[in-house]
Formats: sequence, structure tokens, C-alpha cells
Amino acid sequence: DAKTTQPPSMDCAEGRAANLPCNHSTISGNEYVYWYRQIHSQGPQYIIHGLKNNETNEMASLIITEDRKSSTLILPHATLRDTAVYYCIVRVMEYSTLTFGKGTMLLVSP
Amino acid sequence: ETGVTQTPRHLVMGMTNKKSLKCEQHLGHNAMYWYKQSAKKPLELMFVYNFKEQTENNSVPSRFSPECPNSSHLFLHLHTLQPEDSALYLCASSPQARANTGELFFGEGSRLTVL
Repeated sequence: DAKTTQPPSMDCAEGRAANLPCNHSTISGNEYVYWYRQIHSQGPQYIIHGLKNNETNEMASLIITEDRKSSTLILPHATLRDTAVYYCIVRVMEYSTLTFGKGTMLLVSP
Repeated sequence: ETGVTQTPRHLVMGMTNKKSLKCEQHLGHNAMYWYKQSAKKPLELMFVYNFKEQTENNSVPSRFSPECPNSSHLFLHLHTLQPEDSALYLCASSPQARANTGELFFGEGSRLTVL
């Protein structure tokens, strides 16, 4: 699976949009981009995934660049409960495992 | 509530003890996973079970022994552990291990301390 690069930490004010970047310049054509988050002392939680089109669900939006070498996870109105480590993962759909990196620690402040 | 329940949530054991971690999922999934998360390190996949059969063992030492009696239950038997095995052990499930959407459902983890 392709490697990903994320900033180690980011800050965001409560109520503002949080834009979390991820670089995956070696991504292959059949690899999907996944985002998970892990709130302190809890298990990771699935957020969203996509291949090449932008995706949106009730939690977030995923914007994938046209060349697919990077993506951005957008939390439109961050709350204090969104403080967590956010993981960007690329994975071939048929494979069973997810490989987690170090992620981005997002701190949402009042 | 993710539908994946892990017990105990916290466990302290000596190096000569034998203990077990339990995971139960109520989602009707057929694949279950054990991950290990040590302090300041990324999650590491340990084992994968698909339809009760072990499909992946990520070079885990034999002092960790998994058991999957059915698709809803997964155990991790612990024997003669070392202090460096202290970590958060996370269980996850998915509809199946192959050709799935990549959405794993995690439990809240069992925090293990080895003295």
C-alpha cells in the first residue's frame, strides 16, 4: 500500500472548518483513500473513504486532487469533541488490512 | 457504541500470569482483528480471522495466542508476557476480510499493564 504523509498536529477554533491534509504521492490507480480518527483512549472510528471523486457524509467531506496525490479531510464546523488523532490511509479495496501511521493530532479549542 | 465489546477494559498482570482478553461483536460480521497500540506508536495489526479461520499472523510472538471459536467472539490468550507488551489492545470487526469496504468497527480496547 502507498505511504501517506500527514502533519503531526493542527489547531482549529471551535465552530470553524478543520482542513486536514494528506499526501499520498505514490498512490496506485486501484488504491482508495480512507480516513479514521481516534479520540483519546478509544478505538479508531471510520470517517469516510473515496477513490477519485469527492465524498461527503454526515461526519465530513473528502476532497481528492485530480492527480490523486493528495487529499483533504474537511470537518465543516469543528467542535471540542472532534479533538482526536486523524489517520489518512491508502488501501487496495481487496486487501483485508488497514495500516495506520502516526496521523495528525487535531486540537479544537474554544 | 460500535457494536464491538471488549473485556476487561483494564488488566494488570505479572509476567508469570495467564490471562485472556475477550472481544464480542453484535454486528453479524465474519472477520475479526486484533491490533496493538503501544505508547506513542502507530496501531500494529496482530491477527486477522475470517469466518473463524486465521488468515494473518503479523509475526506475533507465541506468548500471544488468539482464539476465534465463532464469528462473533475473539480471544487473545496471554502467557508469560514482558513489560514491553504493556499496551492498548484493540479488537475490530468487518463484514468479511476480503473485498470489503475497508470500514472496520473497533472496540474501546483493553488497556494491559505487565508488571
